Amino acid sequence: GENVEQHPSTLSVQEGDSAVIKCTYSDSASNYFPWYKQELGKGPQLIIDIRSNVGEKKDQRIAVTLNKTAKHFSLHITETQPEDSAVYFCAATGSARQLTFGSGTQLTVLP
Amino acid sequence: NAGVMQNPRHLVRRRGQEARLRCSPMKGHSHVYWYRQLPEEGLKFMVYLQKENIIDESGMPKERFSAEFPKEGPSILRIQQVVRGDSAAYFCASSGLSSTDGYTFGSGTRLTVV
Repeated sequence: GENVEQHPSTLSVQEGDSAVIKCTYSDSASNYFPWYKQELGKGPQLIIDIRSNVGEKKDQRIAVTLNKTAKHFSLHITETQPEDSAVYFCAATGSARQLTFGSGTQLTVLP
Repeated sequence: NAGVMQNPRHLVRRRGQEARLRCSPMKGHSHVYWYRQLPEEGLKFMVYLQKENIIDESGMPKERFSAEFPKEGPSILRIQQVVRGDSAAYFCASSGLSSTDGYTFGSGTRLTVV
């Protein structure tokens, strides 16, 4: 089955700086790569996603890049703000329909 | 659109009791997924269901756990004879017909076994 690895597990940045989270996946058939943000005590919330026919996608301060040859994708957050502090999960669909999640990154934005 | 509704939000059970967790998918969504999240860990897939069908239960423990998604009513995750190790947050998500539709998650049920 699909295996998704995510790094780093924790990330601290100064407010206004950029944050980058990286994930790799194992199943070359994977074609959908969403990113979720989870705040304490809440369910994961979809923040951006990318499909395998696209290399990059941007939504305001958030961007995702995908390299299918290398089987990795990354989340980029620019101009970070304290409210960006949360746990971020990457995920991928393999040959099965369900999403396989990475282990998460605790992002802390320091004021 | 109320989104994915899970109840209860918090559930306390004594060891040996049964826990029933409910999930109503978003309107128009026919695919339901259950995930378990242990404290400070990621989301682990448990089971994928469509109406009246279990599509993939490869993540479900072999004993004590079962899931259903009846023709009418919410999806139910049932844990029999709970043990302390079952304490976790259980999240339900739903999606539409396409395999590249995003999941919408509910707020989860936090199960505590005492």
